[in-house]
Amino acid sequence: DGGITQSPKYLFRKEGQNVTLSCEQNLNHDAMYWYRQDPGQGLRLIYYSQIVNDFQKGDIAEGYSVSREKKESFPLTVTSAQKNPTAFYLCAVARQGSSYEQYFGPGTRLTVT
Amino acid sequence: QKEVEQNSGPLSVPEGAIASLNCTYSDRGSQSFFWYRQYSGKSPELIMFIYSNGDKEDGRFTAQLNKASQYVSLLIRDSQPSDSATYLCAAITRQRLYKLSFGAGTTVTVRA
Repeated sequence: DGGITQSPKYLFRKEGQNVTLSCEQNLNHDAMYWYRQDPGQGLRLIYYSQIVNDFQKGDIAEGYSVSREKKESFPLTVTSAQKNPTAFYLCAVARQGSSYEQYFGPGTRLTVT
Repeated sequence: QKEVEQNSGPLSVPEGAIASLNCTYSDRGSQSFFWYRQYSGKSPELIMFIYSNGDKEDGRFTAQLNKASQYVSLLIRDSQPSDSATYLCAAITRQRLYKLSFGAGTTVTVRA
């Protein structure tokens, strides 16, 4: 995750507030992703973007929004409509190629009370 | 049916032994498979990927793929306490090259 940064590492919010999680990469990879991980569970895809100014919903997009205005940045907003926002949020990047392997950032742990 | 399934574990092995992790997938169109290691509280780290039938070795790790039986496995030789982690299996299909499907993970504990 050397070229992928997520900030902040820990985030605390009150219920009803929107919050934006940052993801920045300097790997020049085209594709970026947001996943959510709950305790003892696998990763679930929220949104992904293959190119600038374009993104697609993943499996659990409700209550989330994203933007992709720059290749390096893919911020995720957790809105007040998301019923259970407390989770570990992971950003990943991938380059086009034969393997499409994804590399993860360090993650942001969001707690909403 | 989940696209990727793993034995949930936990798997406990003594130090120096071989840890064997298994993963099955349901979509025959799956073409590449990935193993990630995730330490508690940390993000997943890619350790291997495989897309051809057979074995692929990298240090103490060997990934095995059998497309006819739709399973992929990861062997960890000479297991060390530092290998104690959750291992995630993931797959990608030709139709959705940009979307990884993850298993729930297998937790491995290496006993000293």
